[in-house]
This record gives sequence, C-alpha cells and structure tokens, in this order.
Amino acid sequence: GENVEQHPSTLSVQEGDSAVIKCTYSDSASNYFPWYKQELGKRPQLIIDIRSNVGEKKDQRIAVTLNKTAKHFSLHITETQPEDSAVYFCAASWDKLIFGTGTRLQVFP
Amino acid sequence: KAGVTQTPRYLIKTRGQQVTLSCSPISGHRSVSWYQQTPGQGLQFLFEYFSETQRNKGNFPGRFSGRQFSNSRSEMNVSTLELGDSALYLCASSLMPGGQADTQYFGPGTRLTVL
Repeated sequence: GENVEQHPSTLSVQEGDSAVIKCTYSDSASNYFPWYKQELGKRPQLIIDIRSNVGEKKDQRIAVTLNKTAKHFSLHITETQPEDSAVYFCAASWDKLIFGTGTRLQVFP
Repeated sequence: KAGVTQTPRYLIKTRGQQVTLSCSPISGHRSVSWYQQTPGQGLQFLFEYFSETQRNKGNFPGRFSGRQFSNSRSEMNVSTLELGDSALYLCASSLMPGGQADTQYFGPGTRLTVL
C-alpha cells in the first residue's frame, strides 16, 4: 500500500545552522507533496508544497526539492531560528494524503 | 474567513462507549478529511468526504465511520471504544477532493481519551 517514510525522527541544530528532512514515498502516481509544521499543542499548518511538475521550490528560508525518479523529496531550512522548533510532517498525495511519521526539530540558541 | 473548527475539543470516554466528533470546514470548502494522530504514528488517514459522499477510506476497522451534511459539515463516529482509540482526531478541509493537489487546512483537533 501507499507509504511515506520520513527521516530523521529527531533533529537538533544550533541556531543559524541548516536543517534537512528527507522523505521517500512508494506510490509513483503521487503528484502533490506538502510539508506541515506542528507546534506543541497546535494544529498542523502548511509551510510549503510542491507539485510533481516542479523540481524545486523556495520560500524565504525554506526550500523543498523533489526527485520523482528516486521517489524522494526533502525540506531544507536555512539560518534556523528557535521559533523553527516544532514537528515537521511530509506528505504525498495521489488521491489522498499519506503522511510521514514526523521529525521533531529542536533549534538551540 | 473563519478557519476549520472542531467540537468538542476534549472528550473522556470509557471502553465500550461510542463517540461522535464534529468538524466545520472553511466556508466554501466541500472536502473534509479525517486523521488520527498518535505519538510515533504521525497522522493516519481515516476517510474523506466530498459533497456528502465518502470518496476514500483508510485502513481502520468498521467501528470508525463518518458522514457529511449538505452544508459540508462532517461528523465521525467511533463505536465500541477501545483503549487504543485514545488519540488526537484532526479534520482538514479543502476546496477540491483528494487527487486535485489542493491545500488541506486543519482544525485544532479533538483530544479523545478512552479509560
């Protein structure tokens, strides 16, 4: 069945460093890849997404890359700040969203 | 526009009982998806409704069911509750159904505790 694997499960970085989270998906028909950020006690919120006809997308300090051949996509956060600390979820969709198990990012001042 | 709302926010039930959770989507959104969130398991897809029809269903037992009304509000029901049903239940709404690469907006969730 459809599956999304996400790594690492936890990630600790120093403020100002970069953070990279990687996901692989199993359904080659997937055409939409959003990333959500969930702060403690809050709802998941979309931070960036990419569609299958695009290889890379940037939004200020956040970027996502997609390799459809290898069926993997990654989230890159540059110049991390303490407020980036949260759980990040990747997802892949063809007819429904399948989520990865999340990455807890901690940014230390 | 008002965001996605869910009621109640917290529920405590005992094993064997049943529970109904409600989700009101963003005005104009016709698709509502439900997810179960537990520590270590991430968000697991329960089902999706679009225009009052169930479009898709995840790998959950038949004790989990849902419906959608003509105003797009959705409810999910869990019968014969088990301890393992304790979780945060999130709903998300979007304009288009799954497969249309449309953004899903999440509600705050209902925290269900089964004792």
